[in-house]
Amino acid sequence: GAVVSQHPSWVICKSGTSVKIECRSLDFQATTMFWYRQFPKQSLMLMATSNEGSKATYEQGVEKDKFLINHASLTLSTLTVTSAHPEDSSFYICSARDQGRLEKAQYFGPGTRLLVL
Amino acid sequence: AQRVTQPEKLLSVFKGAPVELKCNYSYSGSPELFWYVQYSRQRLQLLLRHISRESIKGFTADLNKGETSFHLKKPFAQEEDSAMYYCALRACSNDYKLSFGAGTTVTVRA
Repeated sequence: GAVVSQHPSWVICKSGTSVKIECRSLDFQATTMFWYRQFPKQSLMLMATSNEGSKATYEQGVEKDKFLINHASLTLSTLTVTSAHPEDSSFYICSARDQGRLEKAQYFGPGTRLLVL
Repeated sequence: AQRVTQPEKLLSVFKGAPVELKCNYSYSGSPELFWYVQYSRQRLQLLLRHISRESIKGFTADLNKGETSFHLKKPFAQEEDSAMYYCALRACSNDYKLSFGAGTTVTVRA
């Protein structure tokens, strides 16, 4: 149980285009999902907290107009990288909390590798 | 603000030897501490939570509030323990955000 999927697993796009990444909780409901960014051989950096039915909460230094988050249902959150540039190339990881469990662990998706040319 | 420090980027041990991954944190309140592991080409997954006080895959970790540490230990490392290990802290009871350390890459040699 507690599986989180991400789609696509990798994407290459031209500079200036927008890219949408989906994060789904497959067998549980998640009112809260998280989006992270990970650079090679570095730790995960929390970008934002995605809340079902309300606006996302962004961490300091993360541009909300650049990284649009939509959490329209209890099993799906999307991250759209708008007008992507090469510096946005990174590994994007989402996680979700199973609201049906008392434990407070997060379950992570496999990540999406984005390369902007 | 909370902070998690993993001083070792790389750790190499021989199979059967003990392994200890250090994790120190700074937080003024009572945190929840976790260890996550990422095996090669796999997603990040939870290894241990301090509140569970359990042993998973032979690993244990004790929260030492006096030293603000949550070191991960295993008495006899196995080759399959080679992975990236992240220490993480959750600060507020109503906030599920995690702060991660920089991670430690463990290589267990035969």
